[in-house]
Amino acid sequence: DAGVIQSPRHEVTEMGQEVTLRCKPISGHDYLFWYRQTMMRGLELLIYFNNNVPIDDSGMPEDRFSAKMPNASFSTLKIQPSEPRDSAVYFCASRLSGLAEQETQYFGPGTRLLVL
Amino acid sequence: GQNIDQPTEMTATEGAIVQINCTYQTSGFNGLFWYQQHAGEAPTFLSYNVLDGLEEKGRFSSFLSRSKGYSYLLLKELQMKDSASYLCAVRPNNQAGTALIFGKGTTLSVSS
Repeated sequence: DAGVIQSPRHEVTEMGQEVTLRCKPISGHDYLFWYRQTMMRGLELLIYFNNNVPIDDSGMPEDRFSAKMPNASFSTLKIQPSEPRDSAVYFCASRLSGLAEQETQYFGPGTRLLVL
Repeated sequence: GQNIDQPTEMTATEGAIVQINCTYQTSGFNGLFWYQQHAGEAPTFLSYNVLDGLEEKGRFSSFLSRSKGYSYLLLKELQMKDSASYLCAVRPNNQAGTALIFGKGTTLSVSS
């Protein structure tokens, strides 16, 4: 399996621009998670989906952030408008529901976002 | 509230043993995970504990005490490639049920 795929791997943009991050989960996984990682705050959960339905978006910082999962193999995280404080590494992770021990999350390589 | 604490940094030498501690206060508990993250890379799964006691996997072991809200990751026969950040994560038994809360990670530096 190719693992979780994210694109782009790096993104540099200017304040005010729209940013769209993309994720393809591992085939067959029914949970998908979006995280943000910074030195100051560590790894924070933004939102997660189960069977394409958003379950908990309480970690989404504000209305500028939105996430969609139109089908089982694709999700997007959009920031509009972007701000310098959004600069971080954004990870997507997926997992398969089942026995608790098997509910390991598999992370994608991340998107390194820099907003100037 | 939910809180996970672990030391920010640790240093050790090749061949040594190091123990990375993690304490947690969460609304519930339904499993504790350890992840390894090399610089510039994604976190990768190391271990899982849900019952008290020690789980051993080769050079790595993880211990859990639910009554104390405490876990540790033990790394033996350290190698240079073990230099990485180690993340402790808890799955609280809340209504949503399945998301993990991560600590900020412990950066381990292994020197020769």
